Amino acid sequence: DQQVKQNSPSLSVQEGRISILNCDYTNSMFDYFLWYKKYPAEGPTFLISISSIKDKNEDGRFTVFLNKSAKHLSLHIVPSQPGDSAVYFCAAKSGANNLFFGTGTRLTVIP
Amino acid sequence: GAVVSQHPSRVICKSGTSVKIECRSLDFQATTMFWYRQFPKQSLMLMATSNEGSKATYEQGVEKDKFLINHASLTLSTLTVTSAHPEDSSFYICSARSGGVDEQFFGPGTRLTVL
Repeated sequence: DQQVKQNSPSLSVQEGRISILNCDYTNSMFDYFLWYKKYPAEGPTFLISISSIKDKNEDGRFTVFLNKSAKHLSLHIVPSQPGDSAVYFCAAKSGANNLFFGTGTRLTVIP
Repeated sequence: GAVVSQHPSRVICKSGTSVKIECRSLDFQATTMFWYRQFPKQSLMLMATSNEGSKATYEQGVEKDKFLINHASLTLSTLTVTSAHPEDSSFYICSARSGGVDEQFFGPGTRLTVL
């Protein structure tokens, strides 16, 4: 039972443009959401997070939007850079419980 | 950020043998360590959670007698895949969390191939 879903396995974006990665979840008890970035042969690294009491969190070029009514969150990267090319995982948790991960979206930023 | 290492990064073994994977937190004390498994094109699935000095808590469907987890110190957890079979071939990733900190720090993963 996949509680966190990333329906786009891949995304290609031109350098300088905006990258939008999407994530949907089914468990309404989730109250904390995270985005991780993963390069080949490396473990995921934390990128940005958002609590369910907010609908937006921004950190430099990265912004995460949360739409609780739609059970949807998105990660915006602007402007996109070639170094952003990686696999992005969204994850969710409720309270102190464990993380549930999506299947990842491979982002390719074309120079 | 905090650094978590895993060893080995790749291992190939014969069916029926046991394989041990180490997970170390290099610059912080990890009160809790997590073990995940990722099959191709699938998400990271939590296998078990271990707290230093106590028995691991396994997720539903994960055989505790097959996947032995030891968290003997605040910087080291090991996962032993016993009597490995080809269907155990996967990418195993550990993560570590320090007490009072919500964030998990992930290791680089171990690619296990069972022939």
